[in-house]
Amino acid sequence: DAGVTQSPTHLIKTRGQQVTLRCSPKSGHDTVSWYQQALGQGPQFIFQYYEEEERQRGNFPDRFSGHQFPNYSSELNVNALLLGDSALYLCASSKGLFGSPLHFGNGTRLTVT
Amino acid sequence: AQKVTQAQTEISVVEKEDVTLDCVYETRDTTYYLFWYKQPPSGELVFLIRRNSFDEQNEISGRYSWNFQKSTSSFNFTITASQVVDSAVYFCALGGAGKSTFGDGTTLTVKP
Repeated sequence: DAGVTQSPTHLIKTRGQQVTLRCSPKSGHDTVSWYQQALGQGPQFIFQYYEEEERQRGNFPDRFSGHQFPNYSSELNVNALLLGDSALYLCASSKGLFGSPLHFGNGTRLTVT
Repeated sequence: AQKVTQAQTEISVVEKEDVTLDCVYETRDTTYYLFWYKQPPSGELVFLIRRNSFDEQNEISGRYSWNFQKSTSSFNFTITASQVVDSAVYFCALGGAGKSTFGDGTTLTVKP
């Protein structure tokens, strides 16, 4: 039973560029959430997708956008990259919207130079 | 606004010692869930335990136990007879309708 898979594992981009990160949820899960984890900190909630709609959003600018596909997989897009966007981006899947534990992927390490 | 505070940044113990990780949370929600996650050096966050706001019964699962006290907004986690493989960063998280709010983690080092 495959868990949450994320691609790519590492990415190096230049300031001002755009990036797309991808996530496939754990089998049986229908909800995907994205988190940003800076070094030495806990994950920060970016947004959550359920039934192909953004259901909740954290305190992130509109440069961060996403999408969920009919097969429940998801993409995170970041436009106009800033140096401060360098972080580990974690995808988490769960069942339903409330109270289910999150199952995380290994993350995508994004470095912006 | 929701907030999770893990006051202990780093803890170091010797194998077989018991260790308790502290977590204090803030929320205005009446219904919520509390979680503990483990992030080993390999990086993948792993779910450990969950407790909902209506159930203050404390439980033991193997070497793990947890103490949920709504009156003090605390959700502490204890590892009994720690092992080297328990070395990791442990995160406490508060979950409501959708988003989970994480603390900044406690780095646990278990020395042989």
